[in-house]
Order: sequence, then C-alpha cells, then structure tokens
Amino acid sequence: EAGVAQSPRYKIIEKRQSVAFWCNPISGHATLYWYQQILGQGPKLLIQFQNNGVVDDSQLPKDRFSAERLKGVDSTLKIQPAKLEDSAVYLCASSWIYRGRSSYNEQFFGPGTRLTVL
Amino acid sequence: GDSVTQMEGPVTLSEEAFLTINCTYTATGYPSLFWYVQYPGEGLQLLLKATKADDKGSNKGFEATYRKETTSFHLEKGSVQVSDSAVYFCALITDAGGTSYGKLTFGQGTILTVHP
Repeated sequence: EAGVAQSPRYKIIEKRQSVAFWCNPISGHATLYWYQQILGQGPKLLIQFQNNGVVDDSQLPKDRFSAERLKGVDSTLKIQPAKLEDSAVYLCASSWIYRGRSSYNEQFFGPGTRLTVL
Repeated sequence: GDSVTQMEGPVTLSEEAFLTINCTYTATGYPSLFWYVQYPGEGLQLLLKATKADDKGSNKGFEATYRKETTSFHLEKGSVQVSDSAVYFCALITDAGGTSYGKLTFGQGTILTVHP
C-alpha cells in the first residue's frame, strides 16, 4: 500500500513570497490533516478535511494560509504571503473516517515539506 | 484546552541501557494516548497506543501504561538499540462525546540518541 505522498520535500523562499504544498493521501482515506511542526515543537493541527469538507480549521491563520481538497482526494496548502515565522515542516496525514474512541483510526503521516523563509 | 508535556531532552544512552521518557497530560475529556516516533528523514509513525485507564500499549519492545490517576503515559524500553535513535512524541485525542474528529495534540518531542 502506498503511503502519504507530499511534495516538494524542501522549499526555500523569501518573506512575502507565496508557496504551495501538495499532499496525496492513502487511497480510500476520507480524512486528511495538515500539521505545522516548528523546530523543537510537536506538530500542531492546521486544518482537517473529511472528504472535501472542512471539519476543523480553528488554528489556521486564515489571513495568509488557505487549503483545499477538491474532489475529496489530494489537497493543497498555500501560504500567501509568507512570514519568517512560517519556517517549519508541514506534515500531511490521512486516516479512515474517525468515529470516536471505540474505532480510533490511525493517522498515517507523509514525510513532510520543510519550508525555510528567509 | 488539552496539552501534553514531555520530559526535557535530548536523551543520550548507551546501547542496552534502560529507557524512560516521561509524558503527562491535561485533557478536558477522556483521552486516548499515543506514542509516535520519527526516524531521521522519515514521517511520523505510530509506535503504540492505549485507549482507557490501566491499558498497556506495547510494540517493538517499547511499553507505556495509561495512568489516569497520575495523568501520565511514560514510555519505557528495557534495552535500547542504536536503531532506536529517533524523536519520540507523546500525543492524545479527546473523544468529545463521540463528536471528536480525531485532532491529535502532541508534546514537544524528545530526541533519543543511542551510542554503540
């Protein structure tokens, strides 16, 4: 079974530029997550999709970050314009539909995209 | 809100040493608890989990017991190997009355280095 794919693996941009990350989840996984992992910290959820609908974007800085999941499969996360503090690893994860503790569905993570903003 | 606190790192051990990485949590509901591992250059992988009090999760020689009375989920391994060198994350999900959508809350991670 192929894992979660992400691209690019590395990106270096200057502040105020735009950048986009792409994620292709495991086939059949309805739920897709984007996490931000700043160096020395644990991942923080930015946005969660179930199929092509957003179920949690409470920690997404909506003035500069946007994400979409057209057709309920792959997803794109965009930052426009980027700030220095956006330097981080952006992780994508996917799982079957989560239905509560009795049937926790493991989240499978991609390798991440390391973003450096200069 | 929910939070996870891990012991300060990094941790450096010799091969075959005993490992403990402490993890404590605060949660508004009844959480499920996890340990994830991140090997160099790879994505996060689920190492083990426990979904209710006194459950013990285990995998690859690692163990952790869900202690509700102390709100802890410490990771242990009796004899570490060089190949265990990685970053370890404690995490939780709170099931808010069945409406939770699987949001993981992570600790800050503990870097483990094992020397031959």
